[in-house]
Amino acid sequence: DTGVSQDPRHKITKRGQNVTFRCDPISEHNRLYWYRQTLGQGPEFLTYFQNEAQLEKSRLLSDRFSAERPKGSFSTLEIQRTEQGDSAMYLCASSPRENTEAFFGQGTRLTVV
Amino acid sequence: GDSVTQMEGPVTLSEEAFLTINCTYTATGYPSLFWYVQYPGEGLQLLLKATKADDKGSNKGFEATYRKETTSFHLEKGSVQVSDSAVYFCALSDLQGAQKLVFGQGTRLTINP
Repeated sequence: DTGVSQDPRHKITKRGQNVTFRCDPISEHNRLYWYRQTLGQGPEFLTYFQNEAQLEKSRLLSDRFSAERPKGSFSTLEIQRTEQGDSAMYLCASSPRENTEAFFGQGTRLTVV
Repeated sequence: GDSVTQMEGPVTLSEEAFLTINCTYTATGYPSLFWYVQYPGEGLQLLLKATKADDKGSNKGFEATYRKETTSFHLEKGSVQVSDSAVYFCALSDLQGAQKLVFGQGTRLTINP
């Protein structure tokens, strides 16, 4: 078990471009979360999946953001028409079931120039 | 909504000093409380947790007690080491639905030899 894996680790993109990040949770973890962390702040919740179903989305998740988890395994987070304010660390976490520890990946650092 | 407030950093101590990092929370229900740690270059890791009032979480010499009357979950360690240098995040999650984490802003701790 290699833990939660995120790809890429770093992404630099020009404003207005689309980007997609991938998260591979720990095998058989059916709960998956995306968080966003800006410099000097704690992570903020973006969205939650239970298996393939997206059950909760934060108001932070504007219509330029979309997340999927096909087949309840890996997940992708896409940001369309990126803005400089999207620059942040995007964290993925997974847990096996309710009331269990969430394990975090190392994150994808996005820089929009 | 639910929120977590941590003492502001950065905090710099000498090795073997006593550590306290204050954390208070606001929540409508009875959340679980957590301390996460982020070592340089690594992902967030769960340090300790407590799930009900008066519970004490402990790990690696760190302790925190869930104080419902003061809505606090202060992190303490009796004798810090250089290897404890990291960013510490206090967090809560409710017991329903997504059980998403709500984080404080983090406290950067540096231990000097």
